Amino acid sequence: DSGVTQTPKHLITATGQRVTLRCSPRSGDLSVYWYQQSLDQGLQFLIQYYNGEERAKGNILERFSAQQFPDLHSELNLSSLELGDSALYFCASSSGRNSYEQYFGPGTRLTVT
Amino acid sequence: AQKITQTQPGMFVQEKEAVTLDCTYDTSDPSYGLFWYKQPSSGEMIFLIYQGSYDQQNATEGRYSLNFQKARKSANLVISASQLGDSAMYFCAMRGLLSGGYQKVTFGTGTKLQVIP
Repeated sequence: DSGVTQTPKHLITATGQRVTLRCSPRSGDLSVYWYQQSLDQGLQFLIQYYNGEERAKGNILERFSAQQFPDLHSELNLSSLELGDSALYFCASSSGRNSYEQYFGPGTRLTVT
Repeated sequence: AQKITQTQPGMFVQEKEAVTLDCTYDTSDPSYGLFWYKQPSSGEMIFLIYQGSYDQQNATEGRYSLNFQKARKSANLVISASQLGDSAMYFCAMRGLLSGGYQKVTFGTGTKLQVIP
């Protein structure tokens, strides 16, 4: 158990809908990272927050947004969902701004029908 | 732009033998970091090892070692004394620096390792 929690574990929704994925980092970790893993795109880095502020941005679509709250939990919002958004979404946390050792949560499996 | 290449989609190794998983990278950043992660069939991602581009010595973590050859732009993972529990997908990844101080993390396509009893 990495100490990172993600909810929900599975999510099934229809095209055009909006969903929110939630992540609680390990106790004391200030950085949260979001990743998308799909069969055709592989593992893609989406975005990083450090202590509430956006720190790094990867291949995140404009339909997606994220934020980190004062209690350090983070949410990833996915809107106008398309079939291609079906994937496993991971959250990871680390202690510092540039820490290399990231601890991954179990992931949220999103299925868009 | 940065790129990670893992050319071995799948590999087999006999239990107790050593195995090398290949990873080559391309980047123009002067400073970067290279990682390896393990993803068992259960789906979670497990951090294994890290190598900084300026680190003089190759990183080691227990049975894992990273064979870092900067001139060849390779960062191969060596697993010694393979165990059945090592059967998993292995991802090589790189963290580089974008303009404005932002960082970017890029993953390879992975190598599926199967350990044979």
